[in-house]
Amino acid sequence: ETGVTQTPRHLVMGMTNKKSLKCEQHLGHNAMYWYKQSAKKPLELMFVYSLEERVENNSVPSRFSPECPNSSHLFLHLHTLQPEDSALYLCASSQGGTVNEQFFGPGTRLTVL
Amino acid sequence: AQSVAQPEDQVNVAEGNPLTVKCTYSVSGNPYLFWYVQYPNRGLQFLLKYITGDNLVKGSYGFEAEFNKSQTSFHLKKPSALVSDSALYFCAVRPQGYYGGATNKLIFGTGTLLAVQP
Repeated sequence: ETGVTQTPRHLVMGMTNKKSLKCEQHLGHNAMYWYKQSAKKPLELMFVYSLEERVENNSVPSRFSPECPNSSHLFLHLHTLQPEDSALYLCASSQGGTVNEQFFGPGTRLTVL
Repeated sequence: AQSVAQPEDQVNVAEGNPLTVKCTYSVSGNPYLFWYVQYPNRGLQFLLKYITGDNLVKGSYGFEAEFNKSQTSFHLKKPSALVSDSALYFCAVRPQGYYGGATNKLIFGTGTLLAVQP
């Protein structure tokens, strides 16, 4: 596989469920990102990992918990979500050091019932 | 506050006509500017970026963008639109010096839906 992959592509969960989103990048990058995309809103940066250390947490509720076990993998653990958390969750990666573009995965469409 | 504005929710253009998707920014210092495109059920794809130098930047699929410092704008353009260009377009900015560690944090606009009619 090439680029940035995300699984699952679609997820429906109840408010009491626990689930995880997975992201994998095959580009050799050293930074990874989670974004939330909702209609008619700018992309919301949720978490940033650089060299496997979290460098940014943009006031995201604790019901979202990221994990970056190595430079190629990023997870977003979900528990007790709310219906307003329904959105497209995008993962991205980039190579730091210079001004490089981010490469995005296809996203996970999350619906919270 | 640092921000990016895309004033048009939707742009309609006939196939073969030139297209422009507008973007203005408000940041401190010199910005690095990006355009991304998102097709249905896909993630964002990088189109082009402005770092420094020539104000006219050429990118993928025949798109180009012009950096205008005095107007704080970075409009996306294409001389002749194709139906396949129909998608959601995002402008993004990374303010100079705005980063943590090895990251390239971006501020995104709300997106502009481009609809090209045959």
